[in-house]
Amino acid sequence: GAGVSQSPRYKVAKRGQDVALRCDPISGHVSLFWYQQALGQGPEFLTYFQNEAQLDKSGLPSDRFFAERPEGSVSTLKIQRTQQEDSAVYLCATSAGTSVYNEQFFGPGTRLTVL
Amino acid sequence: GDSVTQMEGPVTLSEEAFLTINCTYTATGYPSLFWYVQYPGEGLQLLLKATKADDKGSNKGFEATYRKETTSFHLEKGSVQVSDSAVYFCALSDSGGYQKVTFGTGTKLQVIP
Repeated sequence: GAGVSQSPRYKVAKRGQDVALRCDPISGHVSLFWYQQALGQGPEFLTYFQNEAQLDKSGLPSDRFFAERPEGSVSTLKIQRTQQEDSAVYLCATSAGTSVYNEQFFGPGTRLTVL
Repeated sequence: GDSVTQMEGPVTLSEEAFLTINCTYTATGYPSLFWYVQYPGEGLQLLLKATKADDKGSNKGFEATYRKETTSFHLEKGSVQVSDSAVYFCALSDSGGYQKVTFGTGTKLQVIP
């Protein structure tokens, strides 16, 4: 399909392990967002890329979280030394432009469980 | 900072009943307002939006009107169907920024036949 895809869909990690979550955007989409959705809550903004530039990382909860989009397409969210409070669904969203009027398209998410 | 408050669920309705899900917001700028829907087992998708005061967004029989004076964006549908069962999120994006979206906590709707 032509939508946003994320992998893996499910990830179980032991506390202290590093994880990497991948987002494949819709081809040509300039903007890419990562959100964290805790159980029973709405998504919360983590970080924003415009092409390869990370313009806003104000939502990253700690320096254990790192995101990159080196070629302006695929993005990876990395979490180092995972903690139980990192358990959540991580959503990627992309849009064709940079304006607030451009619709964001969401991927299915990666459900991370930290034991 | 920006925030969205929506009514807690779950909301359980019989088929063909009238639906209202309340949503109010706080924003420093002049935001665009959205309703997103998450059907069981699927990703978030945009249901409708409104970008300025008194605009009405509509889609699939759902409507919401941007009320600046009451800072509200309540979702309504005249006759719900079982297929409308989902989680509904009210959200905003501040006009001063790019598209960073602030979401409410979601309201689960269950429609029974």
